[in-house]
Amino acid sequence: RKEVEQDPGPFNVPEGATVAFNCTYSNSASQSFFWYRQDCRKEPKLLMSVYSSGNEDGRFTAQLNRASQYISLLIRDSKLSDSATYLCVVNDNTLFSGGYQKVTFGTGTKLQVIP
Amino acid sequence: EAGVTQSPTHLIKTRGQQATLRCSPISGHTSVYWYQQALGLGLQFLLWYDEGEERNRGNFPPRFSGRQFPNYSSELNVNALELEDSALYLCASSKNAAGWSDTQYFGPGTRLTVL
Repeated sequence: RKEVEQDPGPFNVPEGATVAFNCTYSNSASQSFFWYRQDCRKEPKLLMSVYSSGNEDGRFTAQLNRASQYISLLIRDSKLSDSATYLCVVNDNTLFSGGYQKVTFGTGTKLQVIP
Repeated sequence: EAGVTQSPTHLIKTRGQQATLRCSPISGHTSVYWYQQALGLGLQFLLWYDEGEERNRGNFPPRFSGRQFPNYSSELNVNALELEDSALYLCASSKNAAGWSDTQYFGPGTRLTVL
């Protein structure tokens, strides 16, 4: 099983639709979670961090389900500009020698919003 | 405020050669991260430098190495290039060694092609 798994998509949704992505992780000790957005041939940009209590930023809502070991991203009222690949990032916060941390990216879920 | 910069934008090498990629972090950022994004794969963590020291290393062979200079800029060196090293190499920076609890800002990347 991959450490971080995402459905690669593509998710093709009409403008105004609500779409949700899930990301599962294998290490129950993982502590920090993030969603990044990556436009075609561009660098990833942080979309939002994911907190235990869930968090919302405008049309975007992120949730964490520790029991089932997944995080989700909900996008409401999809816009054409939301078309991108959404990357899930998991930080194990595992204390390797020297107190280093381990982070893993998912392969991304591609979203295409259709007019 | 200038973002993360990387050079060169494109780099073409042949098998067995060495490649050197450069990254300048955002002013005031001390941590620099290197990632490889190969076609069809997710972002793979390569290296993390902070205050001139290597803090963490991903699952890559020793021919991938780097360093961080006193001005916090960084170099990624790839020796004995192989065809599968062809990828987009992304550099990111963050304010401090909090690492993944801190927002990372990505540069535009260097596209390395190995012929």
